[in-house]
Amino acid sequence: QKEVEQDPGPLSVPEGAIVSLNCTYSNSAFQYFMWYRQYSRKGPELLMYTYSSGNKEDGRFTAQVDKSSKYISLFIRDSQPSDSATYLCAMSDLAGGSYIPTFGRGTSLIVHP
Amino acid sequence: DSGVTQTPKHLITATGQRVTLRCSPRSGDLSVYWYQQSLDQGLQFLIQYYNGEERAKGNILERFSAQQFPDLHSELNLSSLELGDSALYFCASSVASGAGETQYFGPGTRLLVL
Repeated sequence: QKEVEQDPGPLSVPEGAIVSLNCTYSNSAFQYFMWYRQYSRKGPELLMYTYSSGNKEDGRFTAQVDKSSKYISLFIRDSQPSDSATYLCAMSDLAGGSYIPTFGRGTSLIVHP
Repeated sequence: DSGVTQTPKHLITATGQRVTLRCSPRSGDLSVYWYQQSLDQGLQFLIQYYNGEERAKGNILERFSAQQFPDLHSELNLSSLELGDSALYFCASSVASGAGETQYFGPGTRLLVL
């Protein structure tokens, strides 16, 4: 079992839909939880990060962490074609004094007009 | 534009060869990370340098090595290349190396080993 599991998709939704992206993990030591967006042929870009459990909202994006279930989610409201990208979850703990993230393999999202 | 630059953008080489990938971090960032991204393995952490010193090591092969220079740019050296080394190699940088540090990724170097 991989440390971080993420459904690769693709997930195809119509414009305006609410999108739910999810990851599960096995390492209970993870403390920081991040979501990156990666457009084709580009480097990943950090969207949001949260510490421990709870919700965090930033515009149309909401990140949720449930440490008891080892489950994190990213919700995108009013999805736009420009949201079409691969979304990577990432998690980290303090290993040797450095928070190196472990990434999921990414979910490909397609928002069609 | 993240402010992290990587050269070259594309690299095509043959098995057994050696290549060097270069990364310049964002201005003011002391920490540099190298990642390998392939279709079957996803984004894998290779190695981190902080202010010239190796800070953390991931699943980096012995054929691979890296260093960070006094001007903070970093180079990743890949030797005795194999077909399986074909991948995207990303460099990321951050100000420090602590909790919750935001990593800014470069555009990547696409390596194809024939």
